[in-house]
Amino acid sequence: NAGVTQTPKFQVLKTGQSMTLQCAQDMNHNSMYWYRQDPGMGLRLIYYSASEGTTDKGEVPNGYNVSRLNKREFSLRLESAAPSQTSVYFCASSELAEETQYFGPGTRLLVL
Amino acid sequence: DQQVKQNSPSLSVQEGRISILNCDYTNSMFDYFLWYKKYPAEGPTFLISISSIKDKNEDGRFTVFLNKSAKHLSLHIVPSQPGDSAVYFCAASAETNAGKSTFGDGTTLTVKP
Repeated sequence: NAGVTQTPKFQVLKTGQSMTLQCAQDMNHNSMYWYRQDPGMGLRLIYYSASEGTTDKGEVPNGYNVSRLNKREFSLRLESAAPSQTSVYFCASSELAEETQYFGPGTRLLVL
Repeated sequence: DQQVKQNSPSLSVQEGRISILNCDYTNSMFDYFLWYKKYPAEGPTFLISISSIKDKNEDGRFTVFLNKSAKHLSLHIVPSQPGDSAVYFCAASAETNAGKSTFGDGTTLTVKP
């Protein structure tokens, strides 16, 4: 039982490049989330998916897109990376939207 | 406007003593509160939660207190252990906005042996 897995663990991009962060969970959870954490700050919600087939914006959605591929997988795409998107990205899942979230280990992204 | 605030960036306590971490919120619609613990290079892990219908919840060494009138909650760890050294995040959500948790900036707890 791996829980929530994220790939890659670390990525360096140049400004303007695109990439997709992958997230998968094996707990049969309905809800999935993407957060970013900047140094000295808390987690800020980028997008979430309350259930398969639905997605909704969080606090900081600009510059990102998401896809809830199926119940297990929720990807985050940066179409044109900017230095301001340098951060640690966490994926999380929960059985239902209002319940405790389980987090992946994070993806460290550096945009030069 | 930060809706969830953890005003102490860091806290240092001696092993065996009590650790008290505080969290304030401004949104009166918040009705569910959680504490997460985070070690370096790992994702946050759930610690304990409390709903607005309660004012206290205990789980072993961890107790969360909620004061709705003051919009304040606190996490007590008794006794503190060196393995408790981590960053602690307070988070809040509203039933009407389920899924949208708002996190504080975290408090780094150091427990000295």
